[in-house]
Amino acid sequence: GAGVSQSPSNKVTEKGKDVELRCDPISGHTALYWYRQRLGQGLEFLIYFQGNSAPDKSGLPSDRFSAERTGESVSTLTIQRTQQEDSAVYLCASSTPPMNTEAFFGQGTRLTVV
Amino acid sequence: DQQVKQNSPSLSVQEGRISILNCDYTNSMFDYFLWYKKYPAEGPTFLISISSIKDKNEDGRFTVFLNKSAKHLSLHIVPSQPGDSAVYFCAATRPGSSNTGKLIFGQGTTLQVKP
Repeated sequence: GAGVSQSPSNKVTEKGKDVELRCDPISGHTALYWYRQRLGQGLEFLIYFQGNSAPDKSGLPSDRFSAERTGESVSTLTIQRTQQEDSAVYLCASSTPPMNTEAFFGQGTRLTVV
Repeated sequence: DQQVKQNSPSLSVQEGRISILNCDYTNSMFDYFLWYKKYPAEGPTFLISISSIKDKNEDGRFTVFLNKSAKHLSLHIVPSQPGDSAVYFCAATRPGSSNTGKLIFGQGTTLQVKP
């Protein structure tokens, strides 16, 4: 596709349920990022994949959060036992080697936990 | 630990005037800096960047200034237009490193340009 695609665009879930968010990066981009933006807040780093290197998971807020990436393609962010404080817009971005500088963002998934 | 800080949550300027958005960082290992613009319900879009080997980069109405000794950068928009009204994020990174190549963002500054 032409850009980073995220699905679903909106997700409403009940507290305690698991959710899975999907990101399709731009073809050929080896770096992939997940960020979270809570209402009125900045972009909070969650996790970073770069090629075959071990992912940087230092931003994941708890062990309820996990992410996977298949090769250099699709990534899924999974949130288990969702809590109301998980409500946010989850943004995925990808960037092109070798400098991993300018990242292109998807439109995000708005997650609401009720 | 907030490594990238935008201390002004909002800024309002008159159309045609200059908008100056500021950003400070604490990690001296950062050597590449970017500004992104975000409209509501959209993902951030890249605006302009600067490498630490430069102190200024200009692209049309947008200029980014970098003061490495002060660990400070600023984005100047001149003349400001109503369509520039958005949230502006600065970001920092150390390119080329598998461990530190991630982008770290500030909290954002909401710019309103009044007609």
